[in-house]
Amino acid sequence: QQQVKQSPQSLIVQKGGISIINCAYENTAFDYFPWYQQFPGKGPALLIAIRPDVSEKKEGRFTISFNKSAKQFSLHIMDSQPGDSATYFCAASRREYGNKLVFGAGTILRVKS
Amino acid sequence: NAGVTQTPKFRILKIGQSMTLQCTQDMNHNYMYWYRQDPGMGLKLIYYSVGAGITDKGEVPNGYNVSRSTTEDFPLRLELAAPSQTSVYFCASMGNSPLHFGNGTRLTVT
Repeated sequence: QQQVKQSPQSLIVQKGGISIINCAYENTAFDYFPWYQQFPGKGPALLIAIRPDVSEKKEGRFTISFNKSAKQFSLHIMDSQPGDSATYFCAASRREYGNKLVFGAGTILRVKS
Repeated sequence: NAGVTQTPKFRILKIGQSMTLQCTQDMNHNYMYWYRQDPGMGLKLIYYSVGAGITDKGEVPNGYNVSRSTTEDFPLRLELAAPSQTSVYFCASMGNSPLHFGNGTRLTVT
């Protein structure tokens, strides 16, 4: 059972453009939604996270938008740079610490210079 | 501060062989996890542990075993390797902080 569905599978964006990755979840008990960034040969690393009591969180060029009623959340990368080229995973869990994260399938982002 | 260390980085196994993937963390985290990553499939949880002496199955535990005798170490054992276990394996740990991953072990079973 895929509890977190992520799209698109891959994405090519021009330098300076906006990258948008979407995720949808099924379990309404989830209350912590992180995004992880993974470079080749490395483990995933936390990029940004949101809790459902807010609809948007911004950190630099990265923004999470959250729609609780639709059970969807998305990652927006503004002014995308070649250094942003990586695989991005959305995830969800029932609480922030000490619980099991369920991951989406991942999106391979390539930013063309 | 090394974080989460996984060894080996790469390994090729023949079908039916066994091996142990090592994972150690130096952050005194109680929670530790093993995930496998397959192309287009994301990360699937194999086993996890909430503290020394306590382990539990995740989403895809078949063919694997774990132990947690100390806070620092959480080895993953493959007893009879099968081609379906070809994957990249990630160990992760968590305290009162976000999940922290190691750099993975790439395993090929032929």
